[in-house]
Amino acid sequence: EAGVTQFPSHSVIEKGQTVTLRCDPISGHDNLYWYRRVMGKEIKFLLHFVKESKQDESGMPNNRFLAERTGGTYSTLKVQPAELEDSGVYFCASSQESRARVYGYTFGSGTRLTVV
Amino acid sequence: TQLLEQSPQFLSIQEGENLTVYCNSSSVFSSLQWYRQEPGEGPVLLVTVVTGGEVKKLKRLTFQFGDARKDSSLHITAAQPGDTGLYLCAGAERDSNYQLIWGAGTKLIIKP
Repeated sequence: EAGVTQFPSHSVIEKGQTVTLRCDPISGHDNLYWYRRVMGKEIKFLLHFVKESKQDESGMPNNRFLAERTGGTYSTLKVQPAELEDSGVYFCASSQESRARVYGYTFGSGTRLTVV
Repeated sequence: TQLLEQSPQFLSIQEGENLTVYCNSSSVFSSLQWYRQEPGEGPVLLVTVVTGGEVKKLKRLTFQFGDARKDSSLHITAAQPGDTGLYLCAGAERDSNYQLIWGAGTKLIIKP
């Protein structure tokens, strides 16, 4: 079974530009999550989709971040305009059911975003 | 906001030695997961502990969840160079099964 796929793996953009990250979850996984790790800090939750619906977006830093999951398949995370503090590694994870506390998550390899 | 303090942040030991990594919180978690992350990859789930006092073993790795479900430990016996990596603990918030609170990670280096 294919794992969670993220691309690009790396992105370097200038402050003020727009970047779109993509995540393809494991086929059949209705639950999709975005997490972020800023340099030197712990991984933090951004948001959670169940199919195409946003179940929880309480972790989104501000309105410069927009996540979508059209058709309940892949998801995109757009940052517009990017700021220096947005630099970090963005992880996507999926799970077959929302009770990831028992079954755990499958993570993608992440997108390393550098804003200069 | 619940915090999960993980220690030590960095550990470098010789092959064959034993080690323990700790994750502590003042809050109660519904479960706690341990992940291992390699450079350039995402975290990979090792184990989930759910019940207070639960102990799980994965070959030379022993995971324990505290009785009060506020803390957890990972013990590695006779560490091998292949155990080198970043170990992360993550607690599931009591009322939000899908959100994880993460520790900062322990970077482990096992020298041959």
